[in-house]
Amino acid sequence: QSALTQPRSVSGSPGQSVTISCTGTSSDVGGYNYVSWYQQHPGKAPKLMIYDVSKRPSGVPDRFSGSKSGNTASLTISGLQAEDEADYYCCSYAGSYTSVVFGGGTKLTVL
Amino acid sequence: QVQLQESGPGLVKPSQTLSLTCTVSGGSISSGGYYWSWIRQHPGKGLEWIGYIYYSGSTYYNPSLKSRVTISVDTSKNQFSLKLSSVTAADTAVYYCARGASTIFGVVPPKDWGQGTLVTVSS
Repeated sequence: QSALTQPRSVSGSPGQSVTISCTGTSSDVGGYNYVSWYQQHPGKAPKLMIYDVSKRPSGVPDRFSGSKSGNTASLTISGLQAEDEADYYCCSYAGSYTSVVFGGGTKLTVL
Repeated sequence: QVQLQESGPGLVKPSQTLSLTCTVSGGSISSGGYYWSWIRQHPGKGLEWIGYIYYSGSTYYNPSLKSRVTISVDTSKNQFSLKLSSVTAADTAVYYCARGASTIFGVVPPKDWGQGTLVTVSS
């Protein structure tokens, strides 16, 4: 299966909101509500921020939210903070008898 | 809460076999409903799925790596392992182990990750 499509970079000022998109197909993103988002700071492991499209694990600030429309999932970060600067990856279920599929990653810069 | 920890040599010579182990704590690897996976990240690049295994021993491998990959599980030690043969410099990466849920539809994105371990392939 092909990788999911994410913008290479996005940016925003502190306090603003940014949205990162993740585009797949009807066989992955669009077909099921199994999209996750990970945050990765340099030298650190990916951290789960959103799962099942819009659910937040315990401890993740409610500034982070997820949604999906058709074959595109989105991660929105509101009230941007300096510590949100990181790489973000989406990941989706991709069908039976196969693995999941990752997006290429988006670098978020907080200006 | 389950925790995963990778271990193994940080330096492997070209043409040799890379071997890593993931030790699971806070949960049993034999509990159903989960898969246990290896994912890698080349320096400055994105995430690449290597493969996964169920506690039963059933596996799935990335087609691009399938000829060189073996993932196994040792339920008595609550560990699972990765072997990647005939390595080259292109296999230099941070290797992560991770756990995810297995649904009636198939596997879904992993929730729990290890901290990762850097493996460098060099003579």
